Amino acid sequence: AQSVAQPEDQVNVAEGNPLTVKCTYSVSGNPYLFWYVQYPNRGLQFLLKYITGDNLVKGSYGFEAEFNKSQTSFHLKKPSALVSDSALYFCAVRGDGSSNTGKLIFGQGTTLQVKP
Amino acid sequence: DAGVTQSPTHLIKTRGQQVTLRCSPKSGHDTVSWYQQALGQGPQFIFQYYEEEERQRGNFPDRFSGHQFPNYSSELNVNALLLGDSALYLCASSRRGQGAYGELFFGEGSRLTVL
Repeated sequence: AQSVAQPEDQVNVAEGNPLTVKCTYSVSGNPYLFWYVQYPNRGLQFLLKYITGDNLVKGSYGFEAEFNKSQTSFHLKKPSALVSDSALYFCAVRGDGSSNTGKLIFGQGTTLQVKP
Repeated sequence: DAGVTQSPTHLIKTRGQQVTLRCSPKSGHDTVSWYQQALGQGPQFIFQYYEEEERQRGNFPDRFSGHQFPNYSSELNVNALLLGDSALYLCASSRRGQGAYGELFFGEGSRLTVL
């Protein structure tokens, strides 16, 4: 069965410091991995995805993510956090054998709190 | 370029009632998926529609049903509402041609409260 784990309910970081939001996954076949951000009372906004190729993926708003196949991880990173990055972050996965293109498996989410 | 639009944004119902939520996909998209996001949880897949038919379904009871129209817009219907149906209902659209590596584009959601 496919699954995603986000081991931290909340991550706290000071503005200007680097941030990491962790994600591990389990999927049949090769994974397609996604990060989304959700602001209060809003929908999900796509940040970036890993399909194949370079293990370091760059996305929107200065975010990047590192795919590690041996550790089955896809951690979200940003070199310098902004207060406006404070939000709820979701990691999601879909196996490459999936015929259901509409279905993503989401983690429970990690709240990122960036303090001035 | 309009993104995914959903209506209504908020609604309150009582147990046993029925609700219909609506979604218009992003321009150029032909596939609509619906998700339920309970408070403090990640979104859970309900079902997917393309070519006006339900194609895949998650672990949700038959009280949850849907429809897709020729213009690709979609409705989610929930009958015999339960307190546990209170959640944010998210619509997501995509293009079938992108296959399994395509990202989903989400609407702002419809917040349903069941009293």
